[in-house]
Amino acid sequence: AQSVTQLDSHVSVSEGTPVLLRCNYSSSYSPSLFWYVQHPNKGLQLLLKYTSAATLVKGINGFEAEFKKSETSFHLTKPSAHMSDAAEYFCVVSGRGNKLVFGAGTILRVKS
Amino acid sequence: DAGVIQSPRHEVTEMGQEVTLRCKPISGHNSLFWYRQTMMRGLELLIYFNNNVPIDDSGMPEDRFSAKMPNASFSTLKIQPSEPRDSAVYFCASSTPRGGTYTGELFFGEGSRLTVL
Repeated sequence: AQSVTQLDSHVSVSEGTPVLLRCNYSSSYSPSLFWYVQHPNKGLQLLLKYTSAATLVKGINGFEAEFKKSETSFHLTKPSAHMSDAAEYFCVVSGRGNKLVFGAGTILRVKS
Repeated sequence: DAGVIQSPRHEVTEMGQEVTLRCKPISGHNSLFWYRQTMMRGLELLIYFNNNVPIDDSGMPEDRFSAKMPNASFSTLKIQPSEPRDSAVYFCASSTPRGGTYTGELFFGEGSRLTVL
């Protein structure tokens, strides 16, 4: 079965400093992996996705993630945090059929 | 183009009452998903439809929950009777343009926040 583990429930950074949100996955086959973002009182929005093409994936708003098969990781990074990045981020792996398996989420706080 | 539209945005009801949540997917999408989000359990897939047909309802908690998709532009999630433990945010999402390939990108509505007293 497919699963994801988000290693941090909360991350706090200062504006202008790098962001690192960690995600490990488990999959019995070559997975598709995603990061979604949820701003307060909003629905989720796709940030980026990996589907077995380039291992470094670029997404919206300056975010990117690197697929590392040897480490079963798909960490999300951004060089410089902005106040508007404060949100909850979900690492997601594709499951059977059309099902997505969501991680527990990481709340990112950005301090001014 | 309008996104996924859900109504009501907020619902407060008393235990035992019937609750109906509504969703209008993005025009042209052929997959529709209902999710529930709580602090304790995170995001849970309740049911999803392809071409208006329920494909997997294994996430529906119990018989009090039912979902329908009478046509490509409308779906309902009904809880009858409601209980306090049903309090959550319910999201509808759509995906996959007709004739296209499923990519895993879901387009979410803004959710319906349900409080059962």
